[in-house]
Amino acid sequence: AQTVTQSQPEMSVQEAETVTLSCTYDTSENNYYLFWYKQPPSRQMILVIRQEAYKQQNATENRFSVNFQKAAKSFSLKISDSQLGDTAMYFCAFMMYSGGGADGLTFGKGTHLIIQP
Amino acid sequence: DTAVSQTPKYLVTQMGNDKSIKCEQNLGHDTMYWYKQDSKKFLKIMFSYNNKELIINETVPNRFSPKSPDKAHLNLHINSLELGDSAVYFCASSQGSISPLHFGNGTRLTVT
Repeated sequence: AQTVTQSQPEMSVQEAETVTLSCTYDTSENNYYLFWYKQPPSRQMILVIRQEAYKQQNATENRFSVNFQKAAKSFSLKISDSQLGDTAMYFCAFMMYSGGGADGLTFGKGTHLIIQP
Repeated sequence: DTAVSQTPKYLVTQMGNDKSIKCEQNLGHDTMYWYKQDSKKFLKIMFSYNNKELIINETVPNRFSPKSPDKAHLNLHINSLELGDSAVYFCASSQGSISPLHFGNGTRLTVT
């Protein structure tokens, strides 16, 4: 079974700063996907970024980028130039490639990120 | 157009009642899921359906029964509701493992 660990229950930074959220995972699979989802107070689950394990290049989406270290089983999220609207719960998640997605996502416990004005 | 829609958004009911949550997706995805988010915000998969067939059923009480009339719909029926069932329930869909999960906006269930 896969496990996902987010060791930072809560983080707080000033607006415009850069912040990094940590995530580690454990799996015996070689092919898989990793995701970061954002859940603002509206409780909507919003996909932030996705990484395929077979790709060495780190994924980026505008101000969001990841540092994917496959050997270390680490998948951190960096948010640059943080904005007030980034305040949310952030969940790291894992999906196996095999099984056609039937196992769905395994989530970490989340990091509550607060952006201070 | 809402991609994954679930109703109702809020559901308040008494212990012992039976209730249903509906979910529909218009993305043409083959796989649909139900997740439960507890009071500590932890998300855990309950069920997974692929083309109307149950694929995964985590350790969920049999008071919870998913029903998939077609691959665009996955409803959740809950019998004999208990206080511990209070949570936010999310429906989601994906096109196998090649696409990320798309989530509905959640249903907050409160059992009194």
